Amino acid sequence: EPEVTQTPSHQVTQMGQEVILRCVPISNHLYFYWYRQILGQKVEFLVSFYNNEISEKSEIFDDQFSVERPDGSNFTLKIRSTKLEDSAMYFCASSDGGGTGNEQFFGPGTRLTVL
Amino acid sequence: AQSVTQLGSHVSVSEGALVLLRCNYSSSVPPYLFWYVQYPNQGLQLLLKYTTGATLVKGINGFEAEFKKSETSFHLTKPSAHMSDAAEYFCAVRGGYNKLIFGAGTRLAVHP
Repeated sequence: EPEVTQTPSHQVTQMGQEVILRCVPISNHLYFYWYRQILGQKVEFLVSFYNNEISEKSEIFDDQFSVERPDGSNFTLKIRSTKLEDSAMYFCASSDGGGTGNEQFFGPGTRLTVL
Repeated sequence: AQSVTQLGSHVSVSEGALVLLRCNYSSSVPPYLFWYVQYPNQGLQLLLKYTTGATLVKGINGFEAEFKKSETSFHLTKPSAHMSDAAEYFCAVRGGYNKLIFGAGTRLAVHP
């Protein structure tokens, strides 16, 4: 069964460093998303991406964040200069259409720890 | 704007007992509602969804949920809990540009 994969599963970095979180969405999907979950808190939407551009971003997704689909398979989230408060689980998701009934398939997440 | 409230951050039931996880939503448009489950160290898996039509929705693993517009609720139920149901459950509503807006989650514990 096709699935969304994410690497690495756990990333530890120093404050101020750049990190890139990688995702491989399901191959025929066109819509891509990043969410994050700070420990003990709810899952929050960060950004949606379609046709090589951002569709919507939340207020969390400031200038320190960027997304890219560098090739036909990967979808990346970059944090330019990490802060302590960026420590969270980051989930990638994809769907095959923009229709409101379409299911988003989630990856297993990358746990980011900023020291 | 849409939002979701899940009542009860922790629910504990005995194996074989009824599972009831509560979700209330707020939406200015007809809502599309979802329940996701997260097992330890795994991603979110869709249990069921309500878009339009029948208000009682059946999902995987014996779960179902009923959309009640008058009560703005979408509670998740399972008649008989199994040990393997122990997980965290998230209710979500579809927002603009198809993003999901999640509740805070309910951790379900099942004891023998």
